[in-house]
Amino acid sequence: TQLLEQSPQFLSIQEGENLTVYCNSSSVFSSLQWYRQEPGEGPVLLVTVVTGGEVKKLKRLTFQFGDARKDSSLHITAAQTGDTGLYLCAGAISGNTGKLIFGQGTTLQVKP
Amino acid sequence: KAGVTQTPRYLIKTRGQQVTLSCSPISGHRSVSWYQQTPGQGLQFLFEYFSETQRNKGNFPGRFSGRQFSNSRSEMNVSTLELGDSALYLCASSADGISGNTIYFGEGSWLTVV
Repeated sequence: TQLLEQSPQFLSIQEGENLTVYCNSSSVFSSLQWYRQEPGEGPVLLVTVVTGGEVKKLKRLTFQFGDARKDSSLHITAAQTGDTGLYLCAGAISGNTGKLIFGQGTTLQVKP
Repeated sequence: KAGVTQTPRYLIKTRGQQVTLSCSPISGHRSVSWYQQTPGQGLQFLFEYFSETQRNKGNFPGRFSGRQFSNSRSEMNVSTLELGDSALYLCASSADGISGNTIYFGEGSWLTVV
């Protein structure tokens, strides 16, 4: 069974603080995607990482794919109230067409 | 470029009934996947269709089925609805479904079974 452990599950911080969300697995992923989901809506893609060791930046968000392609992290610098939401990591396994393995999600609340 | 479109957005059904959900993928995308999202289980993969053929399947009972049409639009059907089928059903599309290609999600169809 392929699992993707995401932590922490809940995070409540003050505006301006930094935070990191982690996704770990014993499985090797051919790619890993990060999504953000608002209540009642579908997940919106933030980034796709494909190469081991890859680092991608999206404004204040930094995404890293582990060298062995088994783990990933999302770091947010100087969080804003608009960052509040559910963050999901999802891994694709080679040969498993159309299927993503999702982490449990991290609910982030940024307080003003 | 239009995104993934799902209809209906909300629906309420009674136990024992059946339901059909529809999905139009991003133009040019040929792979359509379906997921079920619940508070307890998170997002779980139902199945994937490519070129009108089911190519991959998750661990759901046979009451869950789907199909894809020649224009890549897809439908999923749940028969003999149970209370536990209440969930957000998400459709996702990608160019060819091959791992490494980005998967985009629709807004989902909220199904409530009473």
